[in-house]
Amino acid sequence: AQKVTQAQTEISVVEKEDVTLDCVYETRDTTYYLFWYKQPPSGELVFLIRRNSFDEQNEISGRYSWNFQKSTSSFNFTITASQVVDSAVYFCALSEGSSGTYKYIFGTGTRLKVLA
Amino acid sequence: EADIYQTPRYLVIGTGKKITLECSQTMGHDKMYWYQQDPGMELHLIHYSYGVNSTEKGDLSSESTVSRIRTEHFPLTLESARPSHTSQYLCASSEYGTTNEQFFGPGTRLTVL
Repeated sequence: AQKVTQAQTEISVVEKEDVTLDCVYETRDTTYYLFWYKQPPSGELVFLIRRNSFDEQNEISGRYSWNFQKSTSSFNFTITASQVVDSAVYFCALSEGSSGTYKYIFGTGTRLKVLA
Repeated sequence: EADIYQTPRYLVIGTGKKITLECSQTMGHDKMYWYQQDPGMELHLIHYSYGVNSTEKGDLSSESTVSRIRTEHFPLTLESARPSHTSQYLCASSEYGTTNEQFFGPGTRLTVL
């Protein structure tokens, strides 16, 4: 069965600290996609990154970086030198390729609070 | 840049009213989705569509209905709103294919009194 677990319900950090948001997934598919989205207080979901199961290369985009490890079924997200504008709820999602439906399975989200 | 629109952004309505939440996208995406979400909480898929005249129920049972008469338009209707329908409703779309990333609209916050 497919599942996404974001064990951290809420994290608070002080501005400029680094913070890592954890995401652990379960799937039997060999072809799947992983995503991170940011949901600021305004409510819309903003796409951050997509990773497919065949590409374990880590990615860095500015202050954001992602660590994909198939061996531990994890796709963690790190924000370096956090800022108040990073305060949001962050969702990790899984989409399985073989089912043909490409529906997302979302985690329950991690609320990040960055304090000035 | 994603172009997906939802109206209204906020709606407060009395019990028993019929409401339609609008969702439109200008990207020509075949796939569209409706999610229900309590603020800051998990997203639940309630409806999806793979193209014109295609609609499917999602993972969370919902009393709402949807239609897909045009590619760009995917409205959601509640025939008789109840307080239990109070929630945020998010619409999304994606291309047909393996890249699969979904683009989300700004959401409609519905309050049923």
